[in-house]
Amino acid sequence: ETGVTQTPRHLVMGMTNKKSLKCEQHLGHNAMYWYKQSAKKPLELMFVYNFKEQTENNSVPSRFSPECPNSSHLFLHLHTLQPEDSALYLCASSQEETGGYNEQFFGPGTRLTVL
Amino acid sequence: GENVEQHPSTLSVQEGDSAVIKCTYSDSASNYFPWYKQELGKGPQLIIDIRSNVGEKKDQRIAVTLNKTAKHFSLHITETQPEDSAVYFCADNAGGTSYGKLTFGQGTILTVHP
Repeated sequence: ETGVTQTPRHLVMGMTNKKSLKCEQHLGHNAMYWYKQSAKKPLELMFVYNFKEQTENNSVPSRFSPECPNSSHLFLHLHTLQPEDSALYLCASSQEETGGYNEQFFGPGTRLTVL
Repeated sequence: GENVEQHPSTLSVQEGDSAVIKCTYSDSASNYFPWYKQELGKGPQLIIDIRSNVGEKKDQRIAVTLNKTAKHFSLHITETQPEDSAVYFCADNAGGTSYGKLTFGQGTILTVHP
C-alpha cells in the first residue's frame, strides 16, 4: 500500500455518461496529481494541485474537470468522453519541497473504458 | 517542452544476469531523476532516485548513474530475479520546477526468465 487510494478501480461508461474518479491520500502531502497512462505512451501529466490550487493544466480537454476540495482528496469529473479517452488514470501525491525534489506516491489507478 | 527518451522499450534477461536501462533528457536545468517500477495492476512505485549533485547511487541490487554533461542517466539491476519483471520508467523534474512536475520516459518492459 502506498497511502494513495483510488475508486473505482474499473469503470465502463458510454460517451454520454457523467462519472467521477476519486483519489484520497493518507500521507499528509500538499500536492496531488492526475496522470493518464495509455498503452505504448509515457505517463501524461494532466493536472497538478499544490495546496489545493491548480498549478498545472496540460492542455487537457474540458470534458475532464478536476476538483480538489482539500489537500487529501482529488476528483476527476468525466463528461461526454470519447473512446480514445480509454486508459488507466493514475493519481499521485507528494510533499513539495524547495529544489524540485519530489517523490510522488501513486495510487493503483482506475481502468476506464469508454464505449 | 522537456523530453525524456528511454531505451530499450523491452528487455529480456536470464535470472542472475544484469539489466541496464538508459534515459536521456533535454533540459539541462533538471536536477532530480527518479526511477519507478510498475507491476501489473498497480501504480508506479519509486525504487531509486538521484539528484544532480551526485554521479552514482546504489541500493542493494539496484544502482543509478548520472552523466550531467551528456544528459543521460541509467538504471542498473544486478543479479536479476523473476520478481524484477515489471515496467520501469525513468523521469526527470522538467527543469527543476518547484511544483514537482515530472516528465516520464516511455517505459521499459523487463522480463527475467527463471
